Amino acid sequence: GNSVTQMEGPVTLSEEAFLTINCTYTATGYPSLFWYVQYPGEGLQLLLKATKADDKGSNKGFEATYRKETTSFHLEKGSVQVSDSAVYFCALSIKAAGNKLTFGGGTRVLVKP
Amino acid sequence: DSGVTQTPKHLITATGQRVTLRCSPRSGDLSVYWYQQSLDQGLQFLIQYYNGEERAKGNILERFSAQQFPDLHSELNLSSLELGDSALYFCASSVEYGTDTQYFGPGTRLTVL
Repeated sequence: GNSVTQMEGPVTLSEEAFLTINCTYTATGYPSLFWYVQYPGEGLQLLLKATKADDKGSNKGFEATYRKETTSFHLEKGSVQVSDSAVYFCALSIKAAGNKLTFGGGTRVLVKP
Repeated sequence: DSGVTQTPKHLITATGQRVTLRCSPRSGDLSVYWYQQSLDQGLQFLIQYYNGEERAKGNILERFSAQQFPDLHSELNLSSLELGDSALYFCASSVEYGTDTQYFGPGTRLTVL
């Protein structure tokens, strides 16, 4: 079956620090990969996505590259802000399966001023 | 604002009861997905509808059922509720069946006492 593994949190950082959240996946088929973010008390927002190998998704200073050889999709941001404090979810979907999302366990990130 | 609406925002009920959660997809979106977010199970896919028809089922209990109506809104029915059903229930929508980008609603928080 399909699964997503991401590093457990919480990850606590100071403002302007570099953020990396590791994500690896197993999939039967060729998945699309996503990062979703959940701010406190809110729903899920799509942060970025990549649909094929070597694609780089980027948004709001966050980046992730689809690495088929290592089955990974690590999220990075060069300089975090307090407003980036949230829970981040890595996910995959497969078109042939209707694109239902399979999520990782989520990583809570806390950025301190 | 994703354009996906869910009602009610909060729901508190007792064990053994039945509740209905409602979702209105983004204008023009034909596909609706339901997900459950709980502390022990994380985020998991429940069921998908496309243009009124069930298309995929995930880890949905037999006590749960859903439907999508001709106006494309969807309802998730939860019956014989147990304490363990307490969770956040999200609805997401996408344009077509095979489209990979899903837009999430704000969720309904269900508390079973």
